[in-house]
Amino acid sequence: QVQLVQSGAEVKKPGASVKVSCNVYGYRVTQLAIHWVRQARGKGLEWMGSFDPEDGETIYAPKFQGRVTMTEDTSTDTAYMELSSLRSEDTALYYCTTEAGDRWGQGTLVTVSS
Amino acid sequence: EIVLTQSPGFQSVAPKEKVTITCRASESIGSSLHWFQQKPDQTPKLLIRYASQSISGVPSRFTGSGSGTDFTLTINGLEAEDAAVYYCQQSSSSPLTFGGGTKVEIK
Repeated sequence: QVQLVQSGAEVKKPGASVKVSCNVYGYRVTQLAIHWVRQARGKGLEWMGSFDPEDGETIYAPKFQGRVTMTEDTSTDTAYMELSSLRSEDTALYYCTTEAGDRWGQGTLVTVSS
Repeated sequence: EIVLTQSPGFQSVAPKEKVTITCRASESIGSSLHWFQQKPDQTPKLLIRYASQSISGVPSRFTGSGSGTDFTLTINGLEAEDAAVYYCQQSSSSPLTFGGGTKVEIK
């Protein structure tokens, strides 16, 4: 069974970058297309993008294009999501999930505050 | 970008009653519509995939229907544990998008 375990909470200043990791257990990361979704407190779900290991392609939501980078490290079965030029509106819980949507990481809280 | 509009935004329903949540897409998405349940302080849980396909372990009172632009999630016989926010999501085209959510409260 696939299990996704994410890195811990982060506090960043405006303008900084954050890199969230998502460790895959029970499968090789190369077998999964990992998607990233975020949720601001009390708000809905927002799809950020995905990495498809079959062709190495990334697809980013237009809103995040230019600020987000999704990668994978096949040696450690870990997926990463890096978001740059952080602003207060980026404060949210960030989730990794499988393409099927049937497995989710526990979420990583990213707080952007001066 | 495909916009998903859920209605209603909030529902207060007595136990054992039927709940119907609709999700309308701004353009046809075939059957590429999925339903999630999110309870307070929990991660989203997949309830229905591809409009009507059931998911192992999900109670049979949750059913989905629809195709094209109009979709429905039905909870037949609401239980107290079903208090949650329900989201639809389309995977027909990028960017993937979610509906705004429907909060279901137990009366």
